[in-house]
Amino acid sequence: GQSLEQPSEVTAVEGAIVQINCTYQTSGFYGLSWYQQHDGGAPTFLSYNALDGLEETGRFSSFLSRSDSYGYLLLQELQMKDSASYFCAVRDHDKDSNYQLIWGAGTKLIIKP
Amino acid sequence: DGGITQSPKYLFRKEGQNVTLSCEQNLNHDAMYWYRQDPGQGLRLIYYSQIVNDFQKGDIAEGYSVSREKKESFPLTVTSAQKNPTAFYLCASSASSGRATGELFFGEGSRLTVL
Repeated sequence: GQSLEQPSEVTAVEGAIVQINCTYQTSGFYGLSWYQQHDGGAPTFLSYNALDGLEETGRFSSFLSRSDSYGYLLLQELQMKDSASYFCAVRDHDKDSNYQLIWGAGTKLIIKP
Repeated sequence: DGGITQSPKYLFRKEGQNVTLSCEQNLNHDAMYWYRQDPGQGLRLIYYSQIVNDFQKGDIAEGYSVSREKKESFPLTVTSAQKNPTAFYLCASSASSGRATGELFFGEGSRLTVL
């Protein structure tokens, strides 16, 4: 089967750095996306990695290792507004060769003052 | 401002009733999607459409129906055949390039509760 594993909850302190890991097992792989979702809100796109390495966008960075089927989202200089759920999603093809996203269950990030 | 509008935001339904959730986008995106989200879980794909007048079933299509008569609109009907419809429903769209990058744009969601 296809699955993505990420921790259900991570706690960190305001101003600190936190890493949210994602390991995947899928039949195909085209890239790894990260989304942020605040409680009751819509997911918003954060980043996408198709190649190995680190992509940096402001305080957020995303890393991918295709050989290890592993990626992570790194959040620096944590702010209270970063409290949210973070989802990883793998880009794959369905049986009709249409692009599809396979989603992890999400990691709830709790930030303490 | 371009975006995706879902309505209603909250909906209560009695068992045995069909309900239709609206999704409209003005981003000129070809592809549109419906997801279901249950507490503590990821998003599960119900239906998607890559072009007007065409749509495909996702992983959990049973008990749901859709139409795509216009590029801007992709309504979802939750039928009485859906055994456990209480959930948060999210509509999304993507541009052609977005399909290669996994970038979806989401509406604010519709929360359906069956009484």
